[in-house]
Amino acid sequence: GAGVSQSPSNKVTEKGKDVELRCDPISGHTALYWYRQSLGQGLEFLIYFQGNSAPDKSGLPSDRFSAERTGGSVSTLTIQRTQQEDSAVYLCASSLGSVGRGIQYFGAGTRLSVL
Amino acid sequence: GEDVEQSLFLSVREGDSSVINCTYTDSSSTYLYWYKQEPGAGLQLLTYIFSNMDMKQDQRLTVLLNKKDKHLSLRIADTQTGDSAIYFCAEIEPGGYNKLIFGAGTRLAVHP
Repeated sequence: GAGVSQSPSNKVTEKGKDVELRCDPISGHTALYWYRQSLGQGLEFLIYFQGNSAPDKSGLPSDRFSAERTGGSVSTLTIQRTQQEDSAVYLCASSLGSVGRGIQYFGAGTRLSVL
Repeated sequence: GEDVEQSLFLSVREGDSSVINCTYTDSSSTYLYWYKQEPGAGLQLLTYIFSNMDMKQDQRLTVLLNKKDKHLSLRIADTQTGDSAIYFCAEIEPGGYNKLIFGAGTRLAVHP
């Protein structure tokens, strides 16, 4: 596609439920990132995928968070047993690679509200 | 440590220049970025500068980099109401995989 596509754009869930957020990167981009934007914490890195390498999960806040990237393209971020503090905008970005400029292009985000 | 700092709010009159400032702590940062976020939207890359440059100009945007003071600024000439947004400064985490470290963002309000 022309840009990074994220779905859904908005998600409202009840505390304790699981949610899945989807990211479709720009075609041909080998690197994919998830960030979280919340009022208290600003923009935080969550996880990074590069090609077939093991992902960098160093930013995931707890073991309730996981992500996968299938076929080197689409990625899904899963949050299990959601908590109110998980409410935030989840942003996905992709880039051509992980060296040099590595300019990251962002999707519009998924706004998650946990009631 | 990694820390990118920005002032939180800037108000300017339409037609004036806006200057948004940012300080970063890691002297080994190679690329520094400015992103713009409009309400309800994702992050839009405005411009970036490589650490061996002092200045970069792109139409109404001018980026100045002072490596000695670890200071980055974004100047918007002839500011318009459409420039109202949050502006984020970001650096690449040193030794990382292009993981971006963001400032808290500067909210620019443009008034008539």
